[in-house]
Amino acid sequence: EPEVTQTPSHQVTQMGQEVILRCVPISNHLYFYWYRQILGQKVEFLVSFYNNEISEKSEIFDDQFSVERPDGSNFTLKIRSTKLEDSAMYFCASSFRGVKNSPLHFGNGTRLTVT
Amino acid sequence: TQLLEQSPQFLSIQEGENLTVYCNSSSVFSSLQWYRQEPGEGPVLLVTVVTGGEVKKLKRLTFQFGDARKDSSLHITAAQPGDTGLYLCAGSNTGNQFYFGTGTSLTVIP
Repeated sequence: EPEVTQTPSHQVTQMGQEVILRCVPISNHLYFYWYRQILGQKVEFLVSFYNNEISEKSEIFDDQFSVERPDGSNFTLKIRSTKLEDSAMYFCASSFRGVKNSPLHFGNGTRLTVT
Repeated sequence: TQLLEQSPQFLSIQEGENLTVYCNSSSVFSSLQWYRQEPGEGPVLLVTVVTGGEVKKLKRLTFQFGDARKDSSLHITAAQPGDTGLYLCAGSNTGNQFYFGTGTSLTVIP
């Protein structure tokens, strides 16, 4: 079964550094998402992306965050200047038709540790 | 932000017992999904419910969507150690995002 893949599985970075988290969504999916999960807390929505633009974003997704689909397969999340509180699991997800009509398929996440 | 409260937060039971997990909100959702998440992995979809009062069964798991589409429950019959994991509900009303619940961590002891 096709799956969403994320790299790296674990990223350690120093505060203030830029990080790029990478995702390869399922190939025929059209909607892409980033969620994060701080240790011991719930899964939080960051951003959704469709037709090469952001369709929705949460309050968490401030100017330090950006997303890009640089080619036909990758979907990236960039954090420009990381803060300690950005430490979390970051999950990429994709769906074929958007959340109302098809399920989200999640990757296994990237654990980001900011020191 | 829509708030989805799950209860209980933690549940530890013996193999063979039955259990129910609840997902409650003051908001109405057009659809609601249940996921299971294991350590080090992403959430995996179990079921989607869209109609008020809908009941869906997945082997020993029974999912119900409340009549008013504000709440849902997950009932597991004869729990097995393989059911251990974090159970998450997630609701969608308008827009293109799911709001996740607070999660129920289930441990089934052999």
